[in-house]
Amino acid sequence: DAGITQSPRHKVTETGTPVTLRCHQTENHRYMYWYRQDPGHGLRLIHYSYGVKDTDKGEVSDGYSVSRSKTEDFLLTLESATSSQTSVYFCAISEGTTNEKLFFGSGTQLSVL
Amino acid sequence: AQSVTQPDIHITVSEGASLELRCNYSYGATPYLFWYVQSPGQGLQLLLKYFSGDTLVQGIKGFEAEFKRSQSSFNLRKPSVHWSDAAEYFCAVGANSNYQLIWGAGTKLIIKP
Repeated sequence: DAGITQSPRHKVTETGTPVTLRCHQTENHRYMYWYRQDPGHGLRLIHYSYGVKDTDKGEVSDGYSVSRSKTEDFLLTLESATSSQTSVYFCAISEGTTNEKLFFGSGTQLSVL
Repeated sequence: AQSVTQPDIHITVSEGASLELRCNYSYGATPYLFWYVQSPGQGLQLLLKYFSGDTLVQGIKGFEAEFKRSQSSFNLRKPSVHWSDAAEYFCAVGANSNYQLIWGAGTKLIIKP
């Protein structure tokens, strides 16, 4: 299994608070992604990174920011959490672009009350 | 607009029976096609992918899929399912030099003993 660790695995927070999710990889892959998974929607890309300090928006980036200061770490921040951001968040990595095989972390279940 | 449709939200199959999960896509260019599987509480794992060449592709765990350009389909098949195949299956479409995969909503496979 690819070395991808997401933390925390579960989090409950209140509306309006900032939340940071962490993704850590030990594979030295260049590309990292944050997805959210909601019933009936499959996966939707929030942000992705194609190198240290190189990030870009996905299809559902509003209300989220990311940072990648090291190859191995990709942080997702909900600046002011809302109930609509209750979801399961997955980090993924790949050696090449999205058309390469994606390796996924185990997910973070986030509940915003 | 680019889209991926998995028409079946749930499918129930008896153990030992054959399986076909449907995936239809709408995409302007020649697509890159993927099937991923997600076991409960886990991240997604790549089953197989099609980029070019032979339209029948073999994957892990005994799965195969056939690309049919004329039908814009990429259906997943397995001749004989096992109880361990119970999971959710996602079809995805991508393009060269594109970081964003388009995901189907998923099909949940239930295995009857």
